[in-house]
Amino acid sequence: DQQVKQNSPSLSVQEGRISILNCDYTNSMFDYFLWYKKYPAEGPTFLISISSIKDKNEDGRFTVFLNKSAKHLSLHIVPSQPGDSAVYFCAASEGWDNYGQNFVFGPGTRLSVLP
Amino acid sequence: DADVTQTPRNRITKTGKRIMLECSQTKGHDRMYWYRQDPGLGLRLIYYSFDVKDINKGEISDGYSVSRQAQAKFSLSLESAIPNQTALYFCATSDFWGYTFGSGTRLTVV
Repeated sequence: DQQVKQNSPSLSVQEGRISILNCDYTNSMFDYFLWYKKYPAEGPTFLISISSIKDKNEDGRFTVFLNKSAKHLSLHIVPSQPGDSAVYFCAASEGWDNYGQNFVFGPGTRLSVLP
Repeated sequence: DADVTQTPRNRITKTGKRIMLECSQTKGHDRMYWYRQDPGLGLRLIYYSFDVKDINKGEISDGYSVSRQAQAKFSLSLESAIPNQTALYFCATSDFWGYTFGSGTRLTVV
């Protein structure tokens, strides 16, 4: 059973509007979350993170919200731009061990921003 | 140079052939990973290595093997390739804060 779920395989949004990508998790021990963005023919690249001590983290047009009680996080992109069209992966970790963290990835959501 | 380099970028091979995918990193990280990406399934972990002497199976290790030749090098082998191993393969390293991925190897088994 998937511990990290992204139930929308794809999302289309008009340029300039808000994109909201959702991620749900089942493991209550997860306490650090990442969003990765992936363009075709490239590896995923880090976008934004949030730890469980926060409920919001903002970086420019990108904001991640965390609702621990609902085991849900969301990525908001405002305003959406055509260059944001990519696959977005949510990833979660239980925390540190001696070497760092092991992340579990969701299946991804393909965002298409239409001009 | 990229932080994580994968070779080859693309490969077509025949069923039953042995193939090796190579990965090298310049990040100086101890931890390295091999992931496989399939449509609708996201990134699934094949193997990971905490350091040169440590190798661990991931979620889908059957049919694969790995070798950690040095801190900077982690290779993935398919001993006898089969068509359902056709996928996009990613190598990654990590530190405390997250992952750095290579650009991927697109493998097609015919």
